[in-house]
Amino acid sequence: SQQGEEDPQALSIQEGENATMNCSYKTSINNLQWYRQNSGRGLVHLILIRSNEREKHSGRLRVTLDTSKKSSSLLITASRAADTASYFCAPDSGGGADGLTFGKGTHLIIQP
Amino acid sequence: DAGVIQSPRHEVTEMGQEVTLRCKPISGHNSLFWYRQTMMRGLELLIYFNNNVPIDDSGMPEDRFSAKMPNASFSTLKIQPSEPRDSAVYFCASAPLQAAGFGYTFGSGTRLTVV
Repeated sequence: SQQGEEDPQALSIQEGENATMNCSYKTSINNLQWYRQNSGRGLVHLILIRSNEREKHSGRLRVTLDTSKKSSSLLITASRAADTASYFCAPDSGGGADGLTFGKGTHLIIQP
Repeated sequence: DAGVIQSPRHEVTEMGQEVTLRCKPISGHNSLFWYRQTMMRGLELLIYFNNNVPIDDSGMPEDRFSAKMPNASFSTLKIQPSEPRDSAVYFCASAPLQAAGFGYTFGSGTRLTVV
């Protein structure tokens, strides 16, 4: 599968604010996934959006997908200190069993 | 379910020694993936298996690296001989074979230090 490119590379906001991070990719996809990695831990799957979906919600997370622009965004509302982590997107072209590849991620810091 | 279980959590070894990392995927997951993470190179996909069969090992950096999956509940990643540049965190992940609609479940990783 292709690698997504997250932007910005780093983001620092105050607790309670919303955090938005973006992902761009190059070729058509079946779905796009977002993962979180806390320091020293493995990646945790957050949300998956299929190519025929434009928006998806999960708790305080909102993901959008624009296949015409080959981009996705992840919005975290009402951020908390526990949201401090690195966030990765993974565009999936091959149905998910072909091995996701990951970029450098967005490192999000929530200031108390 | 206990999730994906990796062992050991930490490994310190001397250059030239053999290192074996272990992974137990989630029961019922047919795909298993090995990743390596470093500050310089980020997360790299090393190899993955479907139904215990290696599908793509193009990410394995050198012949010193080998991986096996003798059954659906166990996989190993071996480095022989190890070198300091192999120091990294190694993650194992598993997923259902038809993974559209499911994400990967990652283990907690093995932090390898080769001195």
